[in-house]
Amino acid sequence: QKEVEQNSGPLSVPEGAIASLNCTYSDRGSQSFFWYRQYSGKSPELIMFIYSNGDKEDGRFTAQLNKASQYVSLLIRDSQPSDSATYLCAVTMMTDKLIFGTGTRLQVFP
Amino acid sequence: EAQVTQNPRYLITVTGKKLTVTCSQNMNHEYMSWYRQDPGLGLRQIYYSMNVEVTDKGDVPEGYKVSRKEKRNFPLILESPSPNQTSLYFCASSGGQWGNSPLHFGNGTRLTVT
Repeated sequence: QKEVEQNSGPLSVPEGAIASLNCTYSDRGSQSFFWYRQYSGKSPELIMFIYSNGDKEDGRFTAQLNKASQYVSLLIRDSQPSDSATYLCAVTMMTDKLIFGTGTRLQVFP
Repeated sequence: EAQVTQNPRYLITVTGKKLTVTCSQNMNHEYMSWYRQDPGLGLRQIYYSMNVEVTDKGDVPEGYKVSRKEKRNFPLILESPSPNQTSLYFCASSGGQWGNSPLHFGNGTRLTVT
């Protein structure tokens, strides 16, 4: 089992819809959870981070963390074509090591 | 402007010719790290540094060297590059506790070794 798993996609959603991106992790002691967005050929940029169970909202983005089920999600409301990118989930293990998933490619079509 | 600067952006070289990729950050961050990104494998950590003169191996350190003589600089050295080191490389830094703070990434270096 991979330490951090994401569906590679592509996830295709129409403009204006909600995009839901999921990530599961193997270490129950994981502490910190990050979502990065990466456009093709560019560097990853931080979208959100979450440390506690529950939801965290920032504009059109909501991160959801469920430690009991070991998953973290990113919801993008009112998706725009400019949101089309690869979304990387990163999880800090109990050892303080940060592990990245391989990313989910999101396509938002007009 | 707070940033991580990598150079060069693109590099084509031949097997065995030593090269250095530079990385500099102006945020006074203690933690710096190098990653390589390959299709289907995601971001994998090569080396990291918790502070000046403190470096340690990541998941894929073979064939790479690093040094941290100054807080702002963290160069990546390939003493004898091989074709399997062809990849997209990112330097990153973080101002908080290792692993628990967001990373700031450089713009990347696309390396091709022929």
